[in-house]
Amino acid sequence: GAGVSQSPSNKVTEKGKDVELRCDPISGHTALYWYRQSLGQGLEFLIYFQGNSAPDKSGLPSDRFSAERTGGSVSTLTIQRTQQEDSAVYLCASSLGLAGGAGETQYFGPGTRLLVL
Amino acid sequence: AQKVTQAQTEISVVEKEDVTLDCVYETRDTTYYLFWYKQPPSGELVFLIRRNSFDEQNEISGRYSWNFQKSTSSFNFTITASQVVDSAVYFCALSEAKRGAQKLVFGQGTRLTINP
Repeated sequence: GAGVSQSPSNKVTEKGKDVELRCDPISGHTALYWYRQSLGQGLEFLIYFQGNSAPDKSGLPSDRFSAERTGGSVSTLTIQRTQQEDSAVYLCASSLGLAGGAGETQYFGPGTRLLVL
Repeated sequence: AQKVTQAQTEISVVEKEDVTLDCVYETRDTTYYLFWYKQPPSGELVFLIRRNSFDEQNEISGRYSWNFQKSTSSFNFTITASQVVDSAVYFCALSEAKRGAQKLVFGQGTRLTINP
């Protein structure tokens, strides 16, 4: 079956602009995660959605970052007023979501490479 | 707090050599899960293995094997008879097993280069 898909693959933006990154999880997966991979910080957790529960936003680095998940499927990560330090690869993952997703294998998408000039 | 350490930043070996990637973790939980992912040059993270903290049996999958030792908090990964296609960055990760704590905590990764 189809894996996790993300769009766009690459995004170049100017400092101060807003960007939206999209993630389509594996069909049937109710848990969805966003991570960021940057040279200095490695792979960092950003936010987690599980069904209709309130999302775990504990990894979002600032209030310029937000995410939503509509209809329990597609998710959009929005970065407002982008800064150069936001340049990174943004990775989305999904898992089945059984028992709240605890300890489940997360399957990753190809990522969106964001460059802020 | 949870932490994963992959002390080897880069490893370079000649094809057909065996190579072991080290992973040491820290957690206060008695129940947890450990993972290995492969990130080839294409960039996508590919799942390799998942182990829970109660299963210390070593696992072998083809040329890949994993050694889990709770006594030393290690979950090492060995590639036997390495091949050029094994060249990638490998990440070890840790996850708690309780509801509401699903995030993966990753090590810094080990860049493995297999030379022909």
